[in-house]
Amino acid sequence: SQTIHQWPATLVQPVGSPLSLECTVEGTSNPNLYWYRQAAGRGLQLLFYSVGIGQISSEVPQNLSASRPQDRQFILSSKKLLLSDSGFYLCASQEGWGTEAFFGQGTRLTVV
Amino acid sequence: QQQVKQSPQSLIVQKGGISIINCAYENTAFDYFPWYQQFPGKGPALLIAIRPDVSEKKEGRFTISFNKSAKQFSLHIMDSQPGDSATYFCAASRKLIFGTGTRLQVFP
Repeated sequence: SQTIHQWPATLVQPVGSPLSLECTVEGTSNPNLYWYRQAAGRGLQLLFYSVGIGQISSEVPQNLSASRPQDRQFILSSKKLLLSDSGFYLCASQEGWGTEAFFGQGTRLTVV
Repeated sequence: QQQVKQSPQSLIVQKGGISIINCAYENTAFDYFPWYQQFPGKGPALLIAIRPDVSEKKEGRFTISFNKSAKQFSLHIMDSQPGDSATYFCAASRKLIFGTGTRLQVFP
């Protein structure tokens, strides 16, 4: 099975500061990669997904961007954080469409 | 983005009872229907999944019932236990769009 590494586990950032969250994957190659955000007590909102290096699809227009510089590396970024960017960010990896997705342990971001 | 509708939002069940969570999807091209379980502060993990060529799949106390004509599928948890208390998400579509989640609480 796959192992998804996400860091940091928690992060407190001031409004207007930049953001970079990194996700790396072990145990597979050329996976589909996903970034989700989960507000407190809420569902999983799909933010971005990628089917290969440099290929990013954005699901929700917003203050965030994603990049995939290497096959098993997925980065979520922002140039200037907003209060509404607070939440629990989850990275997921999937070997192909219609297969099990493996999630990282998440990053809890608080924008103050 | 919402392509999967999940209900109920929350569910309280007594130990030993049956928990039932429902999902409805829109696109008949979907061909993979998983359920994920999430404990507080953790990432979701796959619980059970079904493909549309079968109407039911059972793994231990967990069963998925699938109704292709109605475009609905449900998760049944038999003999619910306090350790089953978690949030459950259904999903559909090739790019893993999740339902809104159901918070299950099982009381002893």
